[in-house]
Amino acid sequence: KAGVTQTPRYLIKTRGQQVTLSCSPISGHRSVSWYQQTPGQGLQFLFEYFSETQRNKGNFPGRFSGRQFSNSRSEMNVSTLELGDSALYLCASSLWSPGRGAYSNQPQHFGDGTRLSIL
Amino acid sequence: DAKTTQPPSMDCAEGRAANLPCNHSTISGNEYVYWYRQIHSQGPQYIIHGLKNNETNEMASLIITEDRKSSTLILPHATLRDTAVYYCIGMDSNYQLIWGAGTKLIIKP
Repeated sequence: KAGVTQTPRYLIKTRGQQVTLSCSPISGHRSVSWYQQTPGQGLQFLFEYFSETQRNKGNFPGRFSGRQFSNSRSEMNVSTLELGDSALYLCASSLWSPGRGAYSNQPQHFGDGTRLSIL
Repeated sequence: DAKTTQPPSMDCAEGRAANLPCNHSTISGNEYVYWYRQIHSQGPQYIIHGLKNNETNEMASLIITEDRKSSTLILPHATLRDTAVYYCIGMDSNYQLIWGAGTKLIIKP
């Protein structure tokens, strides 16, 4: 079974530009979460989608946005890039679904991330 | 804030069991504890999770104390490839993982 796939693996942009990152979840997983990882802040939650709806959002400015498609694939977009946006962006998918039941404690499975460098 | 506390670093000899402790005294009764590890330049890898009972899979064993205030991840026969940062993680009320700084485990030959 294929794992979570993130593209591209590496990206170099300049300040002021925008970027779109892509994530293909594990087949059958409908929950997709995005994280930003930096050496100083560690892993920080960006947002989570389930069935094309944003369910949760972390404490990031509105320049960070995302969406999920009907096939559960997800994209995140960062506009007006700043030097501080340089980070590893990680996507995770899960069998988690709302409500109680067997799926409430399903672990998230991560891709290897997109390393974004801002010059 | 992270709900878990881990030592920042640990060493273990190759071939020996690596025991990684985690304190989660503020975790609620119905919250699972998850363990992940991250090898440099890769995404976090899921290892194991548990609620009350001890758990074992092909990668590791998880021992949870009866009062659920702490747990220990056991890698039974550590290899050099087990060198990584290990995260013990709880969840918030929205089922989101709360990441701390983790434990940097170094396996020495």
